[in-house]
Amino acid sequence: GENVEQHPSTLSVQEGDSAVIKCTYSDSASNYFPWYKQELGKRPQLIIDIRSNVGEKKDQRIAVTLNKTAKHFSLHITETQPEDSAVYFCAPYNTDKLIFGTGTRLQVFP
Amino acid sequence: DAGVIQSPRHEVTEMGQEVTLRCKPISGHDYLFWYRQTMMRGLELLIYFNNNVPIDDSGMPEDRFSAKMPNASFSTLKIQPSEPRDSAVYFCASSFVADTQYFGPGTRLTVL
Repeated sequence: GENVEQHPSTLSVQEGDSAVIKCTYSDSASNYFPWYKQELGKRPQLIIDIRSNVGEKKDQRIAVTLNKTAKHFSLHITETQPEDSAVYFCAPYNTDKLIFGTGTRLQVFP
Repeated sequence: DAGVIQSPRHEVTEMGQEVTLRCKPISGHDYLFWYRQTMMRGLELLIYFNNNVPIDDSGMPEDRFSAKMPNASFSTLKIQPSEPRDSAVYFCASSFVADTQYFGPGTRLTVL
């Protein structure tokens, strides 16, 4: 089955800095790559996604890049703000299922 | 759209009791997923339905867990009998196609 790894597991940045989280997957059949944000006590929320025919997608301060050859995709957050503090999950899609990574806890210090 | 609705939001019960969690998916979504989240195991897919039919229940931990979807707007996850190790947050998610999933607010279950 699909093996998903996220790095780093925790990330602390100063407000205004950039943050990058990387997700590695094992199954080359995966074809949809979303990132979810989960604030404390809240539900996971889809923040950005990319499909396998696209290399990069941007939405304001967040972007996702995909390298299908190397089987990894990354979340980029620029100009971080305290409200970006949360746990972020990658979840490559394969055969009707999202396989969630173990999460990255991002802390943005003012 | 109200989004995915789950009830109850919090449930505290005693070991051995039956627990029923409820979910109303987003109207028009054909897929419904039940997840469990714990610190130790992260987000686990328990079971999912397509057009009200269970497709994959390989994530259901044991026979004490069962799920039904009697119609397109309602699903239940039942635990009978409940045990302390079932304490977790249970999420329901729905999607039009299986990939882009939207989560409900979750039910925090505590089994004493």
